Amino acid sequence: AQTVTQSQPEMSVQEAETVTLSCTYDTSESDYYLFWYKQPPSRQMILVIRQEAYKQQNATENRFSVNFQKAAKSFSLKISDSQLGDAAMYFCAYRGSGGSNYKLTFGKGTLLTVNP
Amino acid sequence: EAEVAQSPRYKITEKSQAVAFWCDPISGHATLYWYRQILGQGPELLVQFQDESVVDDSQLPKDRFSAERLKGVDSTLKIQPAELGDSAMYLCASSQDPRAGGETQYFGPGTRLLVL
Repeated sequence: AQTVTQSQPEMSVQEAETVTLSCTYDTSESDYYLFWYKQPPSRQMILVIRQEAYKQQNATENRFSVNFQKAAKSFSLKISDSQLGDAAMYFCAYRGSGGSNYKLTFGKGTLLTVNP
Repeated sequence: EAEVAQSPRYKITEKSQAVAFWCDPISGHATLYWYRQILGQGPELLVQFQDESVVDDSQLPKDRFSAERLKGVDSTLKIQPAELGDSAMYLCASSQDPRAGGETQYFGPGTRLLVL
């Protein structure tokens, strides 16, 4: 079974600074998808960024980028120029690409605080 | 922008009572997922529908939980009888058919259940 580990329960960053959230995963599959989701307090979970395992190029979305190391099974999220609105719980998630089960397997999350 | 709708947003009930949650996915999304999120943890899949058919309910406690998606559109998740340990956030998500490139799951705002 696939597992996702987020080793940082909490992180903090100063506004306008850069922060990196860590994620590692375990899988025997060669093709899969990785996601970072953001869950603000009392608000719904939204997709931040997505990476296909077969793509070597790291995904970027504006101030958000990932460092995908397939051999090391590592998938970290970098947030540049942090803003107060980035404060949230961040979840790393894995999804396989085969069979009929396309569930997301989530890590336990990292609570990000942004200090003004 | 289309969103996943869920109701109610909050539900307080006493143990042994029956509760039901409703989800309306993004229009055109064939795949619907129900996740349970215990406080401080990542969501875990309870059941996945492809159109009106269940494709994975391996983590659904079938002695008390049931789910249906009769017309392949909206869905209802029921708990009867509710137990104290069922207190959690119940999230609904939908996606386009993952077999046809629907990698991303979009989440609703969730139903927060408190069982007293």
